[in-house]
Amino acid sequence: GENVEQHPSTLSVQEGDSAVIKCTYSDSASNYFPWYKQELGKRPQLIIDIRSNVGEKKDQRIAVTLNKTAKHFSLHITETQPEDSAVYFCASLLYNFNKFYFGSGTKLNVKP
Amino acid sequence: EAQVTQNPRYLITVTGKKLTVTCSQNMNHEYMSWYRQDPGLGLRQIYYSMNVEVTDKGDVPEGYKVSRKEKRNFPLILESPSPNQTSLYFCASSSTGGRPGELFFGEGSRLTVL
Repeated sequence: GENVEQHPSTLSVQEGDSAVIKCTYSDSASNYFPWYKQELGKRPQLIIDIRSNVGEKKDQRIAVTLNKTAKHFSLHITETQPEDSAVYFCASLLYNFNKFYFGSGTKLNVKP
Repeated sequence: EAQVTQNPRYLITVTGKKLTVTCSQNMNHEYMSWYRQDPGLGLRQIYYSMNVEVTDKGDVPEGYKVSRKEKRNFPLILESPSPNQTSLYFCASSSTGGRPGELFFGEGSRLTVL
């Protein structure tokens, strides 16, 4: 089955710096890659997603890049703010099986 | 208000005592799914359903059952809970249009099995 690995597990940045979180997947049949943000004690919420026919997608300070050949995708957050502090999860959807696989999460701490 | 509702939010039970966690969504979504969240392991899919009477195993289905008799409801059943099922559980739904997309999560149900 699919295996999604996420790095780093924790990331600490200064306010205003950029943060990058990376994920790799194993099954080339995966074709949808969402990113979720989970604040402490809250439910995960989608922040950005990308499908396999696109290499990059941007939404204000957040961007996701996808390299299908290397089977990896990354989340980029620019000009980080304290409210960006949360746990971020990458995920993949295995085409034809409709199964979601999540990474183990990255705890981002933005220091004011 | 569009939402996914789970109950109970918190539950402490004992080994072997059957329990059901309910999940209901009001967005007319076809796709519904259950996940467990454990420290260091992220979210792992337990079961999913593409539509009424259509359910399938996710990555960690052992010890769980589900049913999808109505489009809005997708209960998770633990027939004989064990301590290793102590976890935070999330239900989520998604419209499909062919394939599921954004998952809308419930608030979570924290289960402790003694």
